[in-house]
Amino acid sequence: EAAVTQSPRNKVAVTGGKVTLSCNQTNNHNNMYWYRQDTGHGLRLIHYSYGAGSTEKGDIPDGYKASRPSQENFSLILELATPSQTSVYFCASGDATGGPLYAEQFFGPGTRLTVL
Amino acid sequence: AQSVTQPDARVTVSEGASLQLRCKYSYFGTPYLFWYVQYPRQGLQLLLKYYPGDPVVQGVNGFEAEFSKSNSSFHLRKASVHWSDWAVYFCASLSNYNVLYFGSGTKLTVEP
Repeated sequence: EAAVTQSPRNKVAVTGGKVTLSCNQTNNHNNMYWYRQDTGHGLRLIHYSYGAGSTEKGDIPDGYKASRPSQENFSLILELATPSQTSVYFCASGDATGGPLYAEQFFGPGTRLTVL
Repeated sequence: AQSVTQPDARVTVSEGASLQLRCKYSYFGTPYLFWYVQYPRQGLQLLLKYYPGDPVVQGVNGFEAEFSKSNSSFHLRKASVHWSDWAVYFCASLSNYNVLYFGSGTKLTVEP
C-alpha cells in the first residue's frame, strides 16, 4: 500500500515566522509534489521534485522554497510566512518511469496551516 | 496552455439517483486524464484514469468516465449514488512533465 505521510497535520504560525512542512513517502517514487488547496481553486502546484537533490518550480512558487534531501523526504519551507499562505497543503508522490500510463500520484492527508 | 475546468462547483443528488460530474480539458495532443475523490479531512484518492484507448473507463466503487475528444470532455458517471459518495471530486490532466493540472473541484452532496 502506497504511503505518504505529512507533519505536522495542523500548524499555527505568526506572520514573518519560518514554517517547515515535512513529507515522507515509503513508495520509493522518484517524483514528489507540493500543492496547496484553496476554495474555488482546487489544487495548485507549488514545487515538485524528480529525485533527491532536485527541486522545480510549479505554478505558484513565490514565497515558498522546497528541499529534497533524500528519495523519501520532501520539505516545503515558508521563510517569511504571510496570512495569504493560510491554506491546506498536500504532498504527493508518483513514479512515471514507466510512462504516463503509470503516472498516478499518491497523496498525503494534508497539513492545515494558519498564519496569524 | 493546459487546463481543466469543472463547471459545477456543487451538485446535489438523491441517494439512488444517477450522477454525472462534468469535466472539460484543454490540451493540444493526447491527454491523460484522471478523476480523484477527496473525502472530508482526507487526501485525494484515485478513482480512475484514462489513457488513449477505450473512451469509457471503469473505476472504483461503480464510477466510470467517458472521454470525448470532439467535446474535450471527460465526464464522471455513476448509475446509483450512495450516501458514502458525499465528497469533493477533482478532474485532472497530466502534463508532459508528469505534473497534474487540477480542476477546481465539484462538491457532491447526497440527499436521503
